[in-house]
Amino acid sequence: DTEVTQTPKHLVMGMTNKKSLKCEQHMGHRAMYWYKQKAKKPPELMFVYSYEKLSINESVPSRFSPECPNSSLLNLHLHALQPEDSALYLCASSASSGVISYEQYFGPGTRLTVT
Amino acid sequence: GDSVTQMEGPVTLSEEAFLTINCTYTATGYPSLFWYVQYPGEGLQLLLKATKADDKGSNKGFEATYRKETTSFHLEKGSVQVSDSAVYFCALRVRAQKLVFGQGTRLTINP
Repeated sequence: DTEVTQTPKHLVMGMTNKKSLKCEQHMGHRAMYWYKQKAKKPPELMFVYSYEKLSINESVPSRFSPECPNSSLLNLHLHALQPEDSALYLCASSASSGVISYEQYFGPGTRLTVT
Repeated sequence: GDSVTQMEGPVTLSEEAFLTINCTYTATGYPSLFWYVQYPGEGLQLLLKATKADDKGSNKGFEATYRKETTSFHLEKGSVQVSDSAVYFCALRVRAQKLVFGQGTRLTINP
């Protein structure tokens, strides 16, 4: 099973709302990632968790708060977002965060609209 | 810094045509190279990869060869199908964990 699942598929939220995106994988991967993808652009890395610890934060604003409750789950908590945060949010996982280039498996994404 | 340059799209071909999407890279060290495909409304799927010079990645009729001398990883397919219509991303990985993507090339195949 090489599947990464993400919920919800679509989310519309106001600028004062608090919501969460969820990601799950059952491949035994120990590295998990959040990416943001704007229309007609490549994905941009936001966060990396390695063995359930945050290892990379690409200078993401604090209104995005990641959480890795266990090795299979990754959350992204959203609060006080701006309309420009509207995008496709992709989760990915890989077997390791080490120097060996294990490929990243992506989920289908959550399409977020901030009104 | 590390970067990937892809040929600008969109690319439109007829079914059964030969496909080439150019990809060149700049990197310090010895990157691994990837092609990902994104179908409309979906996430990215790994299409193929190569981890060292002269490696050839292949999958679903697509091929790409890691050319260190020309710093290239061009994607090719001998006979495209309508179902190949998608956006294709070339990517490299030098530092652990971080993928650097090209801008993407939108491919449309007409029947």
